[in-house]
Amino acid sequence: NAGVTQTPKFQVLKTGQSMTLQCAQDMNHNSMYWYRQDPGMGLRLIYYSASEGTTDKGEVPNGYNVSRLNKREFSLRLESAAPSQTSVYFCASSTKEGAGNQPQHFGDGTRLSIL
Amino acid sequence: AQSVSQHNHHVILSEAASLELGCNYSYGGTVNLFWYVQYPGQHLQLLLKYFSGDPLVKGIKGFEAEFIKSKFSFNLRKPSVQWSDTAEYFCAAKNSWGKLQFGAGTQVVVTP
Repeated sequence: NAGVTQTPKFQVLKTGQSMTLQCAQDMNHNSMYWYRQDPGMGLRLIYYSASEGTTDKGEVPNGYNVSRLNKREFSLRLESAAPSQTSVYFCASSTKEGAGNQPQHFGDGTRLSIL
Repeated sequence: AQSVSQHNHHVILSEAASLELGCNYSYGGTVNLFWYVQYPGQHLQLLLKYFSGDPLVKGIKGFEAEFIKSKFSFNLRKPSVQWSDTAEYFCAAKNSWGKLQFGAGTQVVVTP
C-alpha cells in the first residue's frame, strides 16, 4: 500500500537550475496538493489540484508551476531555482477538495537545497 | 484572516510526564480540526480529527484532543508520554470550503 510517493527524496541544485518534483498517489483521490515546510512556519500550500484537469494557486505559488498529469500524478516544477526555495516539499492527496472532513495523506517529502 | 496558532514551539519533557499542546484557530462558522504528527525523517501522519459531535476526540497512540468552541481551541493531550513520542506536532484547520491551514508546529522532545 504505497499511498503517496514522491521522487526524488533529496536533491541539490545550483541557483538558476530547473527541477521537477514528482508525486503519485494510488488511493484514487481526486485532490492533490504541494506544500513546503520551513522551520517555524509549518506547512504552506504552494499549489493544489482539486480534480484532474484543474490547478490553483495556494499561499506561496511564486517561482513554481504545477501539472496535474492525470488523476494519479501531480508534479511541481521550479523553472529557475533560488536559494529561498531551499525547503522540504510535501505532496498530499485527499478524497475531495472542499469536503471539509476529509484528511490529507502525505508523501515522505523531498528535501531540496539550492546553492 | 483565518489562522491557526500553536502556543509552544518547543517542549521538552521526561518519559511518563503528561503532555498538552495548545492550538487556537480563528475561523468563523463550521470548522474541521486536525492534529498531525511528524516523526523524525518521516512524513506527516494523522493523529486525530474533529468534525462534529463529541468534543473530546480520541486518536491513535493514546492521544486525545478537546474541541472547546467558546475558546476556539483544540488542544492535544497525552497522559503519559514515551520516548517514541518525540516528534513535531502540527495543528490544522479548515472550513468546509477552504484550504487546510497548518500551525507553525511544536517540536516535542521526550527524554528517557
